[in-house]
Amino acid sequence: DAGVIQSPRHEVTEMGQEVTLRCKPISGHNSLFWYRQTMMRGLELLIYFNNNVPIDDSGMPEDRFSAKMPNASFSTLKIQPSEPRDSAVYFCASTTGRETQYFGPGTRLLVL
Amino acid sequence: AQSVTQLDSHVSVSEGTPVLLRCNYSSSYSPSLFWYVQHPNKGLQLLLKYTSAATLVKGINGFEAEFKKSETSFHLTKPSAHMSDAAEYFCVVILEYGNKLVFGAGTILRVKS
Repeated sequence: DAGVIQSPRHEVTEMGQEVTLRCKPISGHNSLFWYRQTMMRGLELLIYFNNNVPIDDSGMPEDRFSAKMPNASFSTLKIQPSEPRDSAVYFCASTTGRETQYFGPGTRLLVL
Repeated sequence: AQSVTQLDSHVSVSEGTPVLLRCNYSSSYSPSLFWYVQHPNKGLQLLLKYTSAATLVKGINGFEAEFKKSETSFHLTKPSAHMSDAAEYFCVVILEYGNKLVFGAGTILRVKS
């Protein structure tokens, strides 16, 4: 299995621009998680889906952030408009049930 | 509420000496606990997990952890550190309901030659 796939791996954009991060979970996994990692705040759960349905989005910082999972093999995290404080590494993870979460390699986002 | 506390933000050891990374958990039920490792500029990788079977759990790369209910601890150990072990380590608990994880703050392990 290829594992969790994230794209792009690196993104540099200017403040105000829209940013879309993509994630393909491991085939057969029915839960998908988006995390953000920064030096100041560590790892934070932003949102997670079970069977393509958002279950808990309490970690989404504000309305500028949105996430979708149109099908079992694809999810997006969108930031619009982006701000410098959104600079972080964004991880996607997937699992099934209460088993181990498998993390993708992350997207390193820099907003100038 | 379930939580984990990693007692050391940084640990420094010499190559070939034992590693001890400490983690205490708080839970009203018998928890499932994990240790993940993150190498620089990489994603998180599972080292090992405890799910109420054997209290001594063996993981990858020679790491192991012991679940001690009386001490509410789940410390990570390795008999002999290798330079490639230098990374950040996270102790993690899964919430009682659902599959949401709660991460510790992380411990950065430095291995000196």
